[in-house]
Amino acid sequence: DGGITQSPKYLFRKEGQNVTLSCEQNLNHDAMYWYRQDPGQGLRLIYYSQIVNDFQKGDIAEGYSVSREKKESFPLTVTSAQKNPTAFYLCASSIAGSIYEQYFGPGTRLTVT
Amino acid sequence: SQQGEEDPQALSIQEGENATMNCSYKTSINNLQWYRQNSGRGLVHLILIRSNEREKHSGRLRVTLDTSKKSSSLLITASRAADTASYFCATVQGAQKLVFGQGTRLTINP
Repeated sequence: DGGITQSPKYLFRKEGQNVTLSCEQNLNHDAMYWYRQDPGQGLRLIYYSQIVNDFQKGDIAEGYSVSREKKESFPLTVTSAQKNPTAFYLCASSIAGSIYEQYFGPGTRLTVT
Repeated sequence: SQQGEEDPQALSIQEGENATMNCSYKTSINNLQWYRQNSGRGLVHLILIRSNEREKHSGRLRVTLDTSKKSSSLLITASRAADTASYFCATVQGAQKLVFGQGTRLTINP
């Protein structure tokens, strides 16, 4: 059963704490992406990775960090430096690059109080 | 930066009617993609149209692309309650990333 999973679905944290969101895919895709979505808005790219051990900043990378040690996994850490971390976070993957369709996980809703 | 801009922002129609959503973009593209998002869920890819294509069909979906006007439209025919969702267009910026518009919220009334 191929797909992309994100966990947990809901996450609550206190302000000042770092938190890591999980993203795993078994589609054998090279490229993976993290997006942030605020209520009623479109998606904004945080980080993306075209290949293992390499990743690039997207449009809103400040306050976030990622790693890509394995092809299947692309975890996102929301650090205390992110000023407004409460949002819906979506992970996606594609065969190789954005010219191909992206497959999305179910998302993680992060609430920081 | 937002490459794709959808219009209208919200659309409410009766079940069985057709729904048309439009997308405009600013720069030249390799392809344009349409996605659907049910409330609180991830996005689902609907259709990809390449810059050298003018029209594409998939079931009840019809997508057109006019590169001279830098615009695309998504038509859903014979709408159903299950079509209620937000619809996003996305264009490839450079070779590396998709840029999404803010979406059209479609409501199908039974």
